[in-house]
Amino acid sequence: EAGVTQFPSHSVIEKGQTVTLRCDPISGHDNLYWYRRVMGKEIKFLLHFVKESKQDESGMPNNRFLAERTGGTYSTLKVQPAELEDSGVYFCASSQVVKGGTGELFFGEGSRLTVL
Amino acid sequence: GNSVTQMEGPVTLSEEAFLTINCTYTATGYPSLFWYVQYPGEGLQLLLKATKADDKGSNKGFEATYRKETTSFHLEKGSVQVSDSAVYFCALIRYGGSQGNLIFGKGTKLSVKP
Repeated sequence: EAGVTQFPSHSVIEKGQTVTLRCDPISGHDNLYWYRRVMGKEIKFLLHFVKESKQDESGMPNNRFLAERTGGTYSTLKVQPAELEDSGVYFCASSQVVKGGTGELFFGEGSRLTVL
Repeated sequence: GNSVTQMEGPVTLSEEAFLTINCTYTATGYPSLFWYVQYPGEGLQLLLKATKADDKGSNKGFEATYRKETTSFHLEKGSVQVSDSAVYFCALIRYGGSQGNLIFGKGTKLSVKP
């Protein structure tokens, strides 16, 4: 069974440009999460989808970040326009919905974003 | 607020040495506590967890005990192997919080030498 896959693995862009990161969750997982790790800092929660709906987007830093999950399958995270402080590793995770809560989160390898 | 503090790395050990990675937390109520591991070239994986005070999580020879009195969840292994080389993250979910809203520590890189 395929795990959570993320694309691209590494993206280098200039300040002001746009980047779109993609996440394909494990098939059948309705929960999808985005996290970010800025260099030297903790991994921070960004948002949570249940199917195509945003359940919790309290961690989104500002309106330059737009996450979508059309059809409840894969998700994209767009940064427009990118700033230097957006550099870091963006992780995606997915989990099943289980009775009484959420199943184990399965993480992708992450997409490294470098903004020059 | 809620936060996790874990020991700074990197940690370098010889094979079969004893491992402790310290983790303390700040949270209201009774959070659930986790250790995640990221092996080179892979995504984070759940290593073990504990959901209430005095619970002990264990997996692959690793153990951690939820200590409410010291707000700690230290990771231990009696005899590490080269294959344990990875980055280890302590994390919590606050009591009543969204199950996927993990709060992570900064991570501790472990290198085990043969």
